Amino acid sequence: SQQGEEDPQALSIQEGENATMNCSYKTSINNLQWYRQNSGRGLVHLILIRSNEREKHSGRLRVTLDTSKKSSSLLITASRAADTASYFCATDAGGNNRLAFGKGNQVVVIP
Amino acid sequence: DAGVIQSPRHEVTEMGQEVTLRCKPISGHNSLFWYRQTMMRGLELLIYFNNNVPIDDSGMPEDRFSAKMPNASFSTLKIQPSEPRDSAVYFCATKVGGSYNEQFFGPGTRLTVL
Repeated sequence: SQQGEEDPQALSIQEGENATMNCSYKTSINNLQWYRQNSGRGLVHLILIRSNEREKHSGRLRVTLDTSKKSSSLLITASRAADTASYFCATDAGGNNRLAFGKGNQVVVIP
Repeated sequence: DAGVIQSPRHEVTEMGQEVTLRCKPISGHNSLFWYRQTMMRGLELLIYFNNNVPIDDSGMPEDRFSAKMPNASFSTLKIQPSEPRDSAVYFCATKVGGSYNEQFFGPGTRLTVL
């Protein structure tokens, strides 16, 4: 069964606003990763958070992980038009190198 | 570093034809993954290799699909015969082995089967 599942709604925001998206999963994980996909392109890794971490920052990105609730959130602060993309969470259950991807969450940042 | 290289970038073929998709991993990456992406089903893992050995092909939809990795620098995904429902974007991704390493995706091959 698919592990990573983002909140299914698309998000449309004004440039400068913050964008938050969520991801839930079903089983124990080693780590959780977020990827971005621009239209017509491959996925690009954004950030990885380990199961023993609760929060991680990278530039304008902030990721939280709540293993008790089996959920994660990705916050993009001060959004830019270039942040328009689909965002995927992916879980690594460990042991076999594979990731389970969610269905993606489309974000549109209006200039 | 050229990243993961996939070819062709676009392929249009007729039903029943054989299709071969190619992937060149990043040098030094010993895990390789083939994914299929459609609007309806999202991103699906088809098969992955560790050190050129297929580890899990449970995502391969049918016997019409086959994948090989004859060496560390080349992999193919073949569909024979192709069907219209195979139309999708196929991604190859590679990584250095180990759980805390990211996957690097190629640009994808957009396949259209008429």
